[in-house]
Amino acid sequence: EVQLVESGGGLVQPGGSLRLSCAASGFNFSNYWMTWVRQAPGKGLEWVANINTDGRSKIYVDSVKGRFTISRDNARNSLYLQMNSLRAEETATYYCARAGHYYFDSWGQGTLVTVSS
Amino acid sequence: QSVLTQPPSVSGAPGQRVTISCTGSSPSIASYNHVHWYQQLPGTAPRLLIFANNNRPSGVPERFSGSKSGTSASLVITGLQPEDEADYYCQSYDRGVSGVFGGGTKLTVL
Repeated sequence: EVQLVESGGGLVQPGGSLRLSCAASGFNFSNYWMTWVRQAPGKGLEWVANINTDGRSKIYVDSVKGRFTISRDNARNSLYLQMNSLRAEETATYYCARAGHYYFDSWGQGTLVTVSS
Repeated sequence: QSVLTQPPSVSGAPGQRVTISCTGSSPSIASYNHVHWYQQLPGTAPRLLIFANNNRPSGVPERFSGSKSGTSASLVITGLQPEDEADYYCQSYDRGVSGVFGGGTKLTVL
């Protein structure tokens, strides 16, 4: 059974940093692209970033370019999202998901990031 | 702002058929791009419901179906059940952006 478990969320001040992690199990992690999707409270889904199987190709939504970094450790079956210069409007639940052919076929339960002073 | 437009809400009585539309507003949501659908039950993570326009992952009931024509797609739920009450999102691909989501549609089962 595919399992994705996010961690690392919490309260951070505007301008601060946070690193999210996603532990994967139940599938061959190194064979799949992975993604981060976020959802602000009461709002819709927003794709944030994708990373390819070996971690060399990364794609970001424009609003996070230069501030967020997606990475992975295939030896540890883990996905990461380093978030710097966080803004209040980035308060959201952050989901990691396994990527198929431009769709997301398995999702974690999410981790809440609150950006507030 | 989403380049995929969905109605904010739809409703139907148990046993009825409902349709949720998803219209692409960008030329880059081309006719060859697949559309995928997700269901998000209250308080839970999204789950993949339909992929590549009209394919159901294992475990998704047959009453859920999808279709696509040009830059528009539809999710159809037949034999509506109370447990189908959820938010539904369409998703496709835009140039340089791996995942584009619609704004979501809240389905209410009357």
